[in-house]
Amino acid sequence: KNQVEQSPQSLIILEGKNCTLQCNYTVSPFSNLRWYKQDTGRGPVSLTIMTFSENTKSNGRYTATLDADTKQSSLHITASQLSDSASYICVVSFDSNYQLIWGAGTKLIIKP
Amino acid sequence: GAGVSQSPSNKVTEKGKDVELRCDPISGHTALYWYRQRLGQGLEFLIYFQGNSAPDKSGLPSDRFSAERTGESVSTLTIQRTQQEDSAVYLCASSRSLTGSSYEQYFGPGTRLTVT
Repeated sequence: KNQVEQSPQSLIILEGKNCTLQCNYTVSPFSNLRWYKQDTGRGPVSLTIMTFSENTKSNGRYTATLDADTKQSSLHITASQLSDSASYICVVSFDSNYQLIWGAGTKLIIKP
Repeated sequence: GAGVSQSPSNKVTEKGKDVELRCDPISGHTALYWYRQRLGQGLEFLIYFQGNSAPDKSGLPSDRFSAERTGESVSTLTIQRTQQEDSAVYLCASSRSLTGSSYEQYFGPGTRLTVT
């Protein structure tokens, strides 16, 4: 069964600290993996998109890694800010398919 | 330019009533998607439109759900005889790609549907 699992389910950290969110997937065949940020009451916004040949991709303070062999990805957030408080969702797409398999997300809370 | 817009932003309806949700995609985007997001859960794919091709309706949960799209513009999602389990946020997204797989999807703010 094609699944995307994320951990932890929720995370609270202090402003300025770093954190890493995890994603494991069983989707096959795999095309690409995306990380989205979803603020409360808003639609998801794309942070990174990686194909199977990419190991890492950065977007400002966000760095995503991908290990296609172990089917794991992580999203590292550096020097967190209050505005980083949101849900972070890992999404995997099939090869040549527009359908995406969405993880349930990690709810991140940044405290001052 | 303008992003994806959805209306209404909130809808409260009584069980058994029909509702219609609207999505205005980004101009020029050929692909349009509808998703459902229940509280605390991931997005569920509902339906996909690509240009004038027949839509992929494989994600629609029952025959009470239907959607239409006029050309490459507005789409409406209709839920007939609403049930309490239909309560969720309904998200619309659009993208440029003909295949849709590797192109970024841009999301609207969603419509929060509450069935009482």
